[in-house]
Amino acid sequence: GAGVSQSPSNKVTEKGKDVELRCDPISGHTALYWYRQSLGQGLEFLIYFQGNSAPDKSGLPSDRFSAERTGGSVSTLTIQRTQQEDSAVYLCASSTSRYEQYFGPGTRLTVT
Amino acid sequence: GESVGLHLPTLSVQEGDNSIINCAYSNSASDYFIWYKQESGKGPQFIIDIRSNMDKRQGQRVTVLLNKTVKHLSLQIAATQPGDSAVYFCAEKGQAGTALIFGKGTTLSVSS
Repeated sequence: GAGVSQSPSNKVTEKGKDVELRCDPISGHTALYWYRQSLGQGLEFLIYFQGNSAPDKSGLPSDRFSAERTGGSVSTLTIQRTQQEDSAVYLCASSTSRYEQYFGPGTRLTVT
Repeated sequence: GESVGLHLPTLSVQEGDNSIINCAYSNSASDYFIWYKQESGKGPQFIIDIRSNMDKRQGQRVTVLLNKTVKHLSLQIAATQPGDSAVYFCAEKGQAGTALIFGKGTTLSVSS
């Protein structure tokens, strides 16, 4: 079946602009995660959604970052007033359990 | 604090050799560990996982070993192939019980 999809695959934006990144999880997966991967680094947790529970936002680096998940499915990660240090690959993952997570291909964000 | 690290950032092997990728973790309370493979331009792909009540688990050409005494995790790949070339990440289930905590990755290069 279809895996996790993300759009756009690449995004170039100017410093100070807002961006929205989209994630479509695997159908039926109740949990959705956002991670950030800087060049040559591991994955940094950003935010986690589980069903109708309040999201775990403990990984968001600043109040410029926010995310929502509509109808328990699609999620959007928004970065306001982008900075050059926001340049990274943003990865989304979904899962049915508290264990294995399935990742999308990521969105490569470049802030110029 | 919690952290997951890998002993070597790069590993080069010949095709047909066995590869061993190591990982050290710091949180003795973690109960789940997972290895991911990430090819260039793609999201991480699940390889194998292990729960803390086990010390070894085998998959197809891969084996994960867990030594809780020294908080060490390893991934063994048998008969390494050029298609195994990628970055390998270990991850643990953090104390929050939600997101995975990732190490920085080991780049495996397989030459023919």
